[in-house]
Amino acid sequence: NAGVMQNPRHLVRRRGQEARLRCSPMKGHSHVYWYRQLPEEGLKFMVYLQKENIIDESGMPKERFSAEFPKEGPSILRIQQVVRGDSAAYFCASSQGQGQTEAFFGQGTRLTVV
Amino acid sequence: RKEVEQDPGPFNVPEGATVAFNCTYSNSASQSFFWYRQDCRKEPKLLMSVYSSGNEDGRFTAQLNRASQYISLLIRDSKLSDSATYLCVVKGGFTGGGNKLTFGTGTQLKVEL
Repeated sequence: NAGVMQNPRHLVRRRGQEARLRCSPMKGHSHVYWYRQLPEEGLKFMVYLQKENIIDESGMPKERFSAEFPKEGPSILRIQQVVRGDSAAYFCASSQGQGQTEAFFGQGTRLTVV
Repeated sequence: RKEVEQDPGPFNVPEGATVAFNCTYSNSASQSFFWYRQDCRKEPKLLMSVYSSGNEDGRFTAQLNRASQYISLLIRDSKLSDSATYLCVVKGGFTGGGNKLTFGTGTQLKVEL
């Protein structure tokens, strides 16, 4: 049973380009969370999704950022027109959802905007 | 008040020491609690769940006090390899329904020879 898979592990984009980060949850997990971590800072919640639904996107910047978790395929975090301030580690976690069920993290995507 | 609050540290302790971390959460409706560990530039990894009755896993003991909205982690006989950032995680009770995970900013532990 593979863990949470994120790709790419490292992504370099020029300012103004688009970044697409992918997250495949663990088998049997239908809940996905995205977090951003700036250097020397804590994890900041971005968005929480279940299959085909965004449950909570209170941590997502209002512009340029979007997320989806389609019925088939991985969850995608999309950043349009990237800026230098978007450079960070983006972690995805998945869980079964209800109750005292743990969430497991992928290894993250390190985005560098040049 | 922050949703989940931790002392950032760092806690510098000698090998073999006992160290305790505390965490408070703001919403009494929160349902589930966890401790994660994060090593530098790596993903957070689940250390242990926290149950109402308290639970132990080897050198690690977690406790929950719902009345005070307080969670603790005790590490006995600390090892050099315990050096990491320890994240308190609360599930539910905040915006987003019962399953949103909210992380504290973490407490940094450095175990020294």
